[in-house]
Amino acid sequence: DTGVSQDPRHKITKRGQNVTFRCDPISEHNRLYWYRQTLGQGPEFLTYFQNEAQLEKSRLLSDRFSAERPKGSFSTLEIQRTEQGDSAMYLCASSNSGSRPDTQYFGPGTRLTVL
Amino acid sequence: AQKVTQAQTEISVVEKEDVTLDCVYETRDTTYYLFWYKQPPSGELVFLIRRNSFDEQNEISGRYSWNFQKSTSSFNFTITASQVVDSAVYFCALSADGGSQGNLIFGKGTKLSVKP
Repeated sequence: DTGVSQDPRHKITKRGQNVTFRCDPISEHNRLYWYRQTLGQGPEFLTYFQNEAQLEKSRLLSDRFSAERPKGSFSTLEIQRTEQGDSAMYLCASSNSGSRPDTQYFGPGTRLTVL
Repeated sequence: AQKVTQAQTEISVVEKEDVTLDCVYETRDTTYYLFWYKQPPSGELVFLIRRNSFDEQNEISGRYSWNFQKSTSSFNFTITASQVVDSAVYFCALSADGGSQGNLIFGKGTKLSVKP
């Protein structure tokens, strides 16, 4: 049973650059979530998809952030014009909406450092 | 508003000691779900348990046990006979609106260090 995978695991970029992260969910899961975790804090919800539809977005998701899940399988999270405040761990999780509650299983995360 | 509070920022124990991690939640929903996740140094959040608001039975799984009390809005987690491998950050989380909402609301976590 393959878990949630994320790529890359680490990303270092310069302020102002664009970055894109990928998440591959557990194969039978139709829901996919993005969270951000800063040092010493719990994960904070960014957005989630059910199949290819983006159903909810947090106010944390500024207009520099965009997420897609074009075919209801993998998802990408893009940050444009990165800022130092974007430095964080970006976590992806997936779940099956057929179960209640749908327990979210997390990937290893992508750690972003903006210089 | 929904909120999860983990008042203990860090706990340090010696191996084989029992330790309890506290979690207090706030929600106006009558149906909700509570979770515990473990985050070892590798960074991946590992699901431990979920509990719905209608089930106040305590649960035991090996050295782990959970005490859910609606009267005090608490969902505490006890590790019996702690081991060095239990060292991690533990997060309590709330799924509001009967679990129909997408997001989990996490506490800030409790860092547990178990020393040999």
